[in-house]
Amino acid sequence: GAVVSQHPSRVICKSGTSVKIECRSLDFQATTMFWYRQFPKQSLMLMATSNEGSKATYEQGVEKDKFLINHASLTLSTLTVTSAHPEDSSFYICSARIRVKETQYFGPGTRLLVL
Amino acid sequence: GQQLNQSPQSMFIQEGEDVSMNCTSSSIFNTWLWYKQDPGEGPVLLIALYKAGELTSNGRLTAQFGITRKDSFLNISASIPSDVGIYFCAGRIIQGAQKLVFGQGTRLTINP
Repeated sequence: GAVVSQHPSRVICKSGTSVKIECRSLDFQATTMFWYRQFPKQSLMLMATSNEGSKATYEQGVEKDKFLINHASLTLSTLTVTSAHPEDSSFYICSARIRVKETQYFGPGTRLLVL
Repeated sequence: GQQLNQSPQSMFIQEGEDVSMNCTSSSIFNTWLWYKQDPGEGPVLLIALYKAGELTSNGRLTAQFGITRKDSFLNISASIPSDVGIYFCAGRIIQGAQKLVFGQGTRLTINP
């Protein structure tokens, strides 16, 4: 299957700092990428949908100024958690959709811990 | 919003047993996807279904897209320890729609 990478896999930061997470589709072009957040023992919660070259569409309740998304190319999307606080600690997972197909592949996730 | 009801929520089985889980909805879906997630990892796509009635296998896994387009099941035959994990169904309601709707997950535990 298609490969999606995420970096970093784990990050610990101090409260108030910003953290950038990268998501890359390694062997295909992804016109659409998605960012999810997952709490322990729960399903995936969609945060935003990112289309290459355009502004991201955020789900209700997700602060766009808090979670900045950039999708500059067909293989790269970034999520920046600005002024992170302990309640932002979570598992963040990106996903990329293959052009002309209905399938969607996930990255390995990034564990964020804000102290 | 659209809901996917996935059951069972958890399963405790003996190694070698067959497993069956399903997802249902009141909405009609055009695509069904089944994923497995290991602890601390992202979901891995197991099987993708695109047509009503479609039955697709991937090794010991078999999944079907329900005729009514409102449900799907996943079967695992002769379970082994590495099958342990959380299985999610996901569906797309409209052809070409962006978002996937996810089930709540089925946590599979296997006793050796």
